[in-house]
Amino acid sequence: QQQVKQSPQSLIVQKGGIPIINCAYENTAFDYFPWYQQFPGKGPALLIAIRPDVSEKKEGRFTISFNKSAKQFSLHIMDSQPGDSATYFCAASISNTDKLIFGTGTRLQVFP
Amino acid sequence: EPEVTQTPSHQVTQMGQEVILRCVPISNHLYFYWYRQILGQKVEFLVSFYNNEISEKSEIFDDQFSVERPDGSNFTLKIRSTKLEDSAMYFCASRGPGRETQYFGPGTRLLVL
Repeated sequence: QQQVKQSPQSLIVQKGGIPIINCAYENTAFDYFPWYQQFPGKGPALLIAIRPDVSEKKEGRFTISFNKSAKQFSLHIMDSQPGDSATYFCAASISNTDKLIFGTGTRLQVFP
Repeated sequence: EPEVTQTPSHQVTQMGQEVILRCVPISNHLYFYWYRQILGQKVEFLVSFYNNEISEKSEIFDDQFSVERPDGSNFTLKIRSTKLEDSAMYFCASRGPGRETQYFGPGTRLLVL
């Protein structure tokens, strides 16, 4: 119930492509869904986050789509660039507990 | 831009030894966290800390682990008697009041031999 399932494990796209990373959860008490980007040797950095009262949020080239009834959310990267090559983690938390439950991560490689 | 810092960046220790991992959270943040990431696996929550006490801890955070905020700037994680399976990257994170975003430090890579 506390898990967040993430797929795919790895993703290879060409520059300009639109990689999509999917996450699913079971616990309906989750009310905050951030995506983190991690480069090798660095800590995770917040990319974009969404709450379940909206179905989509866009920040620059990054978009989260949220499907509350299906308990799924996904990250879309528009016009992907080689500099987007990193590991992406979805996460979820419940406001009154604050701990982040992370997905297993997706290693994205964007080739020129 | 303010950031979370962690020291050391790498630590090698013998099984059974005590280690202390240090973190300096962002200065006006009040909520502090430790997470760990075993090589190639997901980031796992260990403990959260607020108002000088543990708010929540995971099953991983057993009696061998402790946290402390010894002064106004540092936040430490102590592992009393390290085991081989404690080898991981340990991340400190902090969050400001009324904010949702947790900011992560660069991590300390711990290797237990």
